[in-house]
Amino acid sequence: EDQVTQSPEALRLQEGESSSLNCSYTVSGLRGLFWYRQDPGKGPEFLFTLYSAGEEKEKERLKATLTKKESFLHITAPKPEDSATYLCAVLHTGTASKLTFGTGTRLQVTL
Amino acid sequence: DTAVSQTPKYLVTQMGNDKSIKCEQNLGHDTMYWYKQDSKKFLKIMFSYNNKELIINETVPNRFSPKSPDKAHLNLHINSLELGDSAVYFCASSPGDRNTEAFFGQGTRLTVV
Repeated sequence: EDQVTQSPEALRLQEGESSSLNCSYTVSGLRGLFWYRQDPGKGPEFLFTLYSAGEEKEKERLKATLTKKESFLHITAPKPEDSATYLCAVLHTGTASKLTFGTGTRLQVTL
Repeated sequence: DTAVSQTPKYLVTQMGNDKSIKCEQNLGHDTMYWYKQDSKKFLKIMFSYNNKELIINETVPNRFSPKSPDKAHLNLHINSLELGDSAVYFCASSPGDRNTEAFFGQGTRLTVV
């Protein structure tokens, strides 16, 4: 069965203090790894899809990378508005699409 | 323009009642989903429809019945509500069943008392 583990569970950073969030996965035949951002009281918002080891994607202060066993979401010089829960999800090869989510990392960025 | 919209946003009801949550997407996507997010924020798929056809039905009590009248709508009906059904339910859609860049609605917070 697919497993997705995110760490840390919670992370508190000061503004400008760069860090990384980890997503480790066990899946039979990875078809894609997805990063989402979720703000309180809202639905997850799509950030990135990564398809193969070595791939990287960037958006503003966020950069996602992928290896054969894990993905990292690097946050460079974060701002308070980056505070949210970041969710990782995997999609495996099969007859139907089904995202398996991790439990998320709750990020708080303070002034 | 809201891409994936759910109604209602909040739903408080008594045990044993039957309730429905509606979802509509205006993205022209072929696939729609229902996810459940529990109190620990864990998001788990319940159902998936592709062009009105059920393609994923996870281990969900048969009190939960999805209905897709057309590919832009996916409703969730829940019979005989139980306390454990309290959660946030998210509707989502994606372009196709092999392209899962899913877009989520704002969620429906269901509280069963």
